[in-house]
Amino acid sequence: AQSVSQHNHHVILSEAASLELGCNYSYGGTVNLFWYVQYPGQHLQLLLKYFSGDPLVKGIKGFEAEFIKSKFSFNLRKPSVQWSDTAEYFCAVNGADNAGNMLTFGGGTRLMVKP
Amino acid sequence: GAVVSQHPSWVICKSGTSVKIECRSLDFQATTMFWYRQFPKQSLMLMATSNEGSKATYEQGVEKDKFLINHASLTLSTLTVTSAHPEDSSFYICSARGPLLETEAFFGQGTRLTVV
Repeated sequence: AQSVSQHNHHVILSEAASLELGCNYSYGGTVNLFWYVQYPGQHLQLLLKYFSGDPLVKGIKGFEAEFIKSKFSFNLRKPSVQWSDTAEYFCAVNGADNAGNMLTFGGGTRLMVKP
Repeated sequence: GAVVSQHPSWVICKSGTSVKIECRSLDFQATTMFWYRQFPKQSLMLMATSNEGSKATYEQGVEKDKFLINHASLTLSTLTVTSAHPEDSSFYICSARGPLLETEAFFGQGTRLTVV
């Protein structure tokens, strides 16, 4: 069974601070990795995804994530956050060998950016 | 990206009644649809996975007779909460994906169900 762990449940930052949200997963095979964001009152949106290739993935709104296979990690980063980044962030994983494989989500990290 | 439409966005119902939530993929064929439940301040928990034309696969602890899932076509899946109780009040989210390994899952906007 696959599982995802997000270590930070709540993060509070000031604008222009750098962000790194941790995500570790466990799965016995090849994985696809995702970061989703849920802004207040809105639905989940994909920030970025990793299927294969370059382990450093760039997504929308200046976010990036690095897949480190040896550490089973897929941490999300942004060099300078904005107030509008206030949202909940979810890391997710599914097995790459089965298109019907469901996403398993981490517990989420609620980010608050102070203006 | 592809669009998944979920309806209704919110619903209030009385205890004992049934509620149907629809999830539609508007511009792609969703061979697989997933239903999640999100409790307050918690993550999304997968309830069931459905493939078009076959029975849904429920996660452990999810009552299949209570949460009826139908995936009758490549663009529509429905979740029916039968004989709803206040503890069923929650935020329900569907997602859909196409047949290719490289495709991501797209999410509906969610349905907030309140059972009174």
